[in-house]
This record gives sequence, structure tokens and C-alpha cells, in this order.
Amino acid sequence: AQSVTQLGSHVSVSEGALVLLRCNYSSSVPPYLFWYVQYPNQGLQLLLKYTSAATLVKGINGFEAEFKKSETSFHLTKPSAHMSDAAEYFCAVRPGGANNLFFGTGTRLTVIP
Amino acid sequence: EPEVTQTPSHQVTQMGQEVILRCVPISNHLYFYWYRQILGQKVEFLVSFYNNEISEKSEIFDDQFSVERPDGSNFTLKIRSTKLEDSAMYFCASSEAGRVAGNTIYFGEGSWLTVV
Repeated sequence: AQSVTQLGSHVSVSEGALVLLRCNYSSSVPPYLFWYVQYPNQGLQLLLKYTSAATLVKGINGFEAEFKKSETSFHLTKPSAHMSDAAEYFCAVRPGGANNLFFGTGTRLTVIP
Repeated sequence: EPEVTQTPSHQVTQMGQEVILRCVPISNHLYFYWYRQILGQKVEFLVSFYNNEISEKSEIFDDQFSVERPDGSNFTLKIRSTKLEDSAMYFCASSEAGRVAGNTIYFGEGSWLTVV
């Protein structure tokens, strides 16, 4: 069985502060992991993905995530938050051999000026 | 940049009515998907479609749902007799390939369905 848990449905950070959005997964087979972002009134946009190459993955807009197999985690980070980062962030897993994604419940990021 | 487009962006329908949600996937993509997100809940997989047939479907995708690729560009989701619990955001998505490591699924902006 595969699932994704995102700890914290809402996260607030000050502008310029570190962003840390947590994602833990369970998968019966080696997974591929994704972070998507949804800005207000827009669709889901891919931020970054892990596909069993480097464990530290860099994405768009300064975000990165590290795959830690021992912790079954794929946390999303950004060193310095910007107002434009305010959005909903979704972690998703695609088990190896599967064609569909399993999403977490999402984390809404608020950036405080 | 190529994108998945969906229409309508918002539809209100009465319970029991049929609804068709439309999508134009990215032109060179071969795999098409529908996902939905009930307000406050996670995004859930409904169905995937390849080579003019359903390749996978979830438990949610019961007999009231159907998908079709009526021509070379559109991909539709039909809900035959809508229920209140069908109210959700429906996302269409497409990908170039299927079960390969680097495969990325691209999503549209969603169609918000409200059943009253």
C-alpha cells in the first residue's frame, strides 16, 4: 500500500525565513516522489521530482527536497521565503511500476511580511 | 509552454443531472488522467487512459463515471447522474509516457463542480 502524510495543514513563515514543509511516504516498492504547488485559482504545477537519481533534488523557484529512505521522508525546503511562495503545496508518490499519483492532503503556506 | 486546458472552470448542476467536463491534454502526450479533490481533502486518482481505453481506475470511478476521447484533441469525463458528494474540483492531467521513472504528469487548472 502507498500513502503520503503531510504534517501540518497550515504553515506560516516570515518573509526571508526558512521554509520547511514535511512529507512522509509509505510505499511497498521503490517510489518516485513529487512536490506540486497550487497557486490561488491555478492548477497543480510541478515543483520538483525524485526519480532515484540524486537524493537532493532541486526544483523551481529555489525549492529543494531531500529523499531520505531511512526516514521515509521527502521534505521540501527553501532557505528564504518570498511573498510569492504563498500557495498550497502537495507531496505525491508514484510507486515504481504504477502510472498514477497518490497525493498528501496538502500544506497551505502563508508568508508574513 | 504547452499546458493542459480544462472547461468549464466552474459548473453548477442539479442533483441527478449529467455533467461533461472537458480537457485538452498536451498535444504530444499519450496518457491522460482525471483526478478530483473534494474541498478540504486530498487529491484523489480517478482514472487513467491510454490508447483509447482505460488503463487504470480507482474505486471511486464507478459506473456513473465514464471517459472518452471523442477526437484527436479532447478528453472528457462524464458523470451520468450527479450526486451531492460529486461536488469537487476535477483535474485533468496528461503525460508523455507511462510507467517510467522520469515521467511527469502535467495538470490542468481544474473544473470546479458544484452539485445542488
